[in-house]
Amino acid sequence: DSGVTQTPKHLITATGQRVTLRCSPRSGDLSVYWYQQSLDQGLQFLIQYYNGEERAKGNILERFSAQQFPDLHSELNLSSLELGDSALYFCASSVRSGSGNTIYFGEGSWLTVV
Amino acid sequence: DAKTTQPPSMDCAEGRAANLPCNHSTISGNEYVYWYRQIHSQGPQYIIHGLKNNETNEMASLIITEDRKSSTLILPHATLRDTAVYYCIVPPPGGSQGNLIFGKGTKLSVKP
Repeated sequence: DSGVTQTPKHLITATGQRVTLRCSPRSGDLSVYWYQQSLDQGLQFLIQYYNGEERAKGNILERFSAQQFPDLHSELNLSSLELGDSALYFCASSVRSGSGNTIYFGEGSWLTVV
Repeated sequence: DAKTTQPPSMDCAEGRAANLPCNHSTISGNEYVYWYRQIHSQGPQYIIHGLKNNETNEMASLIITEDRKSSTLILPHATLRDTAVYYCIVPPPGGSQGNLIFGKGTKLSVKP
């Protein structure tokens, strides 16, 4: 158990809908990361927050947004969902930001868009 | 990130040591080498990291060559549960970002 908690574990929704994925980082971790893994695809970095502020942005679509709240939990919002958004979404956390910093991953949220 | 090269797949017999190589010939002096693994559809799991000295923990050993251009992750007594994709990652130093860029990794199959 990495200490990173993600909800829901599984989610099925229809095209055009909007969903919110939630992440609670490990206790004391200030940095949160979101990754996407499509079927048979590699792990794609989406976005990073550090202590409430956006720190880095990767291959995140404009239909997707995220935020980190004062209690350090984070939410990833996916809107106008398409079939291709079906994927495993991972949240990860670390104590700090910057290189030389071990990142711990949650077990992911499975999103199926039908 | 410094580019890393790993074999796409490897087999290992259960109980034997699994030696997973990684080439990172463009690594600079203050860049760490990180190893993670992902067991099918689970969250990636941190294994070990190092800068220049060999490192060992309860999961594995990391051997980094003296010129730091390559490294080997060693699982001393592989079990079936070690079957996973193993990623060697070299994050860029000094930046304020902490995200890791995952490549394709090595798919390790431990066979009975």
